[in-house]
Amino acid sequence: AQRVTQPEKLLSVFKGAPVELKCNYSYSGSPELFWYVQYSRQRLQLLLRHISRESIKGFTADLNKGETSFHLKKPFAQEEDSAMYYCALVETSGSRLTFGEGTQLTVNP
Amino acid sequence: NAGVTQTPKFRILKIGQSMTLQCTQDMNHNYMYWYRQDPGMGLKLIYYSVGAGITDKGEVPNGYNVSRSTTEDFPLRLELAAPSQTSVYFCASSVVYEQYFGPGTRLTVT
Repeated sequence: AQRVTQPEKLLSVFKGAPVELKCNYSYSGSPELFWYVQYSRQRLQLLLRHISRESIKGFTADLNKGETSFHLKKPFAQEEDSAMYYCALVETSGSRLTFGEGTQLTVNP
Repeated sequence: NAGVTQTPKFRILKIGQSMTLQCTQDMNHNYMYWYRQDPGMGLKLIYYSVGAGITDKGEVPNGYNVSRSTTEDFPLRLELAAPSQTSVYFCASSVVYEQYFGPGTRLTVT
């Protein structure tokens, strides 16, 4: 069965510091991976997907199939990055997402 | 487009009561989903639908029912509310991979 693990429930950094939110997955096939973000009092929204290889709001994520990881990184965190971040996986033959448990990121001034 | 809308925003239920959480999308998406979000537990899939007339169970379907009579609507029914169903409920829709979420319904069962 597919599984997504986010080992850190809480992560706190200072403004301007680099940030890395960890995500590991287990899936026997070739996965599609995503990061979703939920800002305070807002709905969950897609941040980025690995197949597009984009940088959104300064965030990037690289799929490492050898380590089965999809860590989210930003070189200089901003206060407005404070939010809940979810890593998610979808099997390529379907549409169901499996979410990790989420990491609450707080960026302190 | 309004996207995905959910009603109500908040609700308090007594144990044993029933209610329906409404979800509507105006993007003509075939896929729709219901999740519950518990603190520290992430999102768990309750039910999903790949099109009108077709529904299937997710990870945590017990205590819930759904129907999909139209492409736009995907209501979630709680028949006998229990305290364990206290949660925030999100509806979502998608075409392929990217899911669009509603604002959520915060439900408390006491």
